Amino acid sequence: GAGVSQTPSNKVTEKGKYVELRCDPISGHTALYWYRQSLGQGPEFLIYFQGTGAADDSGLPNDRFFAVRPEGSVSTLKIQRTERGDSAVYLCASSHSIMGGDTGELFFGEGSRLTVL
Amino acid sequence: AQRVTQPEKLLSVFKGAPVELKCNYSYSGSPELFWYVQYSRQRLQLLLRHISRESIKGFTADLNKGETSFHLKKPFAQEEDSAMYYCALSDDTDKLIFGTGTRLQVFP
Repeated sequence: GAGVSQTPSNKVTEKGKYVELRCDPISGHTALYWYRQSLGQGPEFLIYFQGTGAADDSGLPNDRFFAVRPEGSVSTLKIQRTERGDSAVYLCASSHSIMGGDTGELFFGEGSRLTVL
Repeated sequence: AQRVTQPEKLLSVFKGAPVELKCNYSYSGSPELFWYVQYSRQRLQLLLRHISRESIKGFTADLNKGETSFHLKKPFAQEEDSAMYYCALSDDTDKLIFGTGTRLQVFP
């Protein structure tokens, strides 16, 4: 595809349910990032992958949040026992290289809007 | 801890007026600073980065290490500049830390 693709674009769930959000990065991009954006706030870092491994997961708020990228391409963000406070737009971004490289530009998807009732 | 501060939630100007969107940061190392922009119904995208020292769509930003600032400036605002602007810092762990954003409204 031409850009980062995220599905679903909208997800409404009930408190306590399990949710999966998918991100398909730009082909060839080795770095993949997950951010969360609450209303009126900037994107908040959650986790980033370099290839298949999570290089930095320091932004995951608690152990209900988990993300995988088993083949170094598509990534899934998993949220267990959802809470109303998890409601936000979850953004995925990919990059050709790590931020310290010459490019460092993040290409963002349109986001997955999660609403927990 | 690293932090990016954008003190203005909303900045409103008339077309042709100068614009300055403020950004301050706190970081003990050598930062890389960026401005990202989100136009209505579009995805977040890079506007410019300080290492490039280039002007994009008439916008410039200079890194001032003494004042720990990276303000975004444009001498003559256009209506199409209306958008959300986010200042961001890249630390030595290769992640971007974003500010809370400033909404720029340019009136005709």
